[in-house]
Amino acid sequence: EPEVTQTPSHQVTQMGQEVILRCVPISNHLYFYWYRQILGQKVEFLVSFYNNEISEKSEIFDDQFSVERPDGSNFTLKIRSTKLEDSAMYFCASFRAATNEKLFFGSGTQLSVL
Amino acid sequence: GDSVTQMEGPVTLSEEAFLTINCTYTATGYPSLFWYVQYPGEGLQLLLKATKADDKGSNKGFEATYRKETTSFHLEKGSVQVSDSAVYFCALSHTGTASKLTFGTGTRLQVTL
Repeated sequence: EPEVTQTPSHQVTQMGQEVILRCVPISNHLYFYWYRQILGQKVEFLVSFYNNEISEKSEIFDDQFSVERPDGSNFTLKIRSTKLEDSAMYFCASFRAATNEKLFFGSGTQLSVL
Repeated sequence: GDSVTQMEGPVTLSEEAFLTINCTYTATGYPSLFWYVQYPGEGLQLLLKATKADDKGSNKGFEATYRKETTSFHLEKGSVQVSDSAVYFCALSHTGTASKLTFGTGTRLQVTL
């Protein structure tokens, strides 16, 4: 079965630093998402991306966050100036089209902000 | 707003035991309901879904029935295996296409011999 690939699997950074989390969605998928899960809490929707623009974002996705599809294969989440509370598991997901209801998730990047 | 509540884990069972993981939801209208599973080191995978009241989703021996009267979607399996050890997430979506999901916290299941 096709896979969504996320790198790195673990990222440790200092508070205030910028981080970029990388995802390679499935090649013929058109819709891309980031979710996150803070330890012990619910998996939360961050942002959806379609046709090279953000289609929806949550309250969590403030000006410190941005997403980009720089080269037609990668899908990145950038956190401009990390805070301690950004420590979480970040999941990328992709989805082909309205007729395909299956959302494919990556295995996640565990971000630790010290 | 929408929310999903799952029973807290971890749930530890012996192989061949009966499994129930409770899930209830709060939502307006008629959401679609899902169970996702995350095996160690892997991404979340769709396990089963139901899109309307009284629908039963099933896959790999797991079942869940969409109960609108009790706003529940409990996951069951008659006989668990060690290979079922994973984290199980209940979720709902209003889009019908399972893209923007509202998840529960996840329930870790550990099955022992």
